[in-house]
Amino acid sequence: DTEVTQTPKHLVMGMTNKKSLKCEQHMGHRAMYWYKQKAKKPPELMFVYSYEKLSINESVPSRFSPECPNSSLLNLHLHALQPEDSALYLCASSHILGQVAEQYFGPGTRLTVT
Amino acid sequence: AQSVTQLDSHVSVSEGTPVLLRCNYSSSYSPSLFWYVQHPNKGLQLLLKYTSAATLVKGINGFEAEFKKSETSFHLTKPSAHMSDAAEYFCVVSDIRNTGNQFYFGTGTSLTVIP
Repeated sequence: DTEVTQTPKHLVMGMTNKKSLKCEQHMGHRAMYWYKQKAKKPPELMFVYSYEKLSINESVPSRFSPECPNSSLLNLHLHALQPEDSALYLCASSHILGQVAEQYFGPGTRLTVT
Repeated sequence: AQSVTQLDSHVSVSEGTPVLLRCNYSSSYSPSLFWYVQHPNKGLQLLLKYTSAATLVKGINGFEAEFKKSETSFHLTKPSAHMSDAAEYFCVVSDIRNTGNQFYFGTGTSLTVIP
């Protein structure tokens, strides 16, 4: 199984709402990633988890809060977002630590902040 | 430091003609290199990867790429374009660190296929 799943597919939220994005993989990967992608742009790295610990935070605003409850799950908690946060949010996973590793991407969550 | 340059932001080809998408990289290490394709409103799909084995890499859907160390290039080719190849293509270089892999994306090339 080389699939990364993401839910929901689409999300519309107001600026005062709290919502969460979910990502799941069962490939035994111990690195998981959140990316933000604007139209016609490459994905921008937000967070990296290695062995369920946050290893990279690319200066993301605190209104985005990641969580890795176990080796298969990755969440992104959203609170008090701004309209400019509207984007496609992609989750990915890979092997780490010396293994030749490609990333496997989920289909993304299309987020609209109103 | 790692970086990737995709030399063309947009490429347009006729159906049935060859495709060439260009990518140059900069890497302090022996790099791993990847090409991904993204169809509209979809996630990224791995087309192929170079991992220091054969320099000519075959991928899915008839795509190939050749790693040329002397030219620091990893160009993507396909002999005959199909309408379904119209998409955004990203060249990616990987840097293995002790905190996990770090991936560096090119800015993307939008491929249009003309019937």
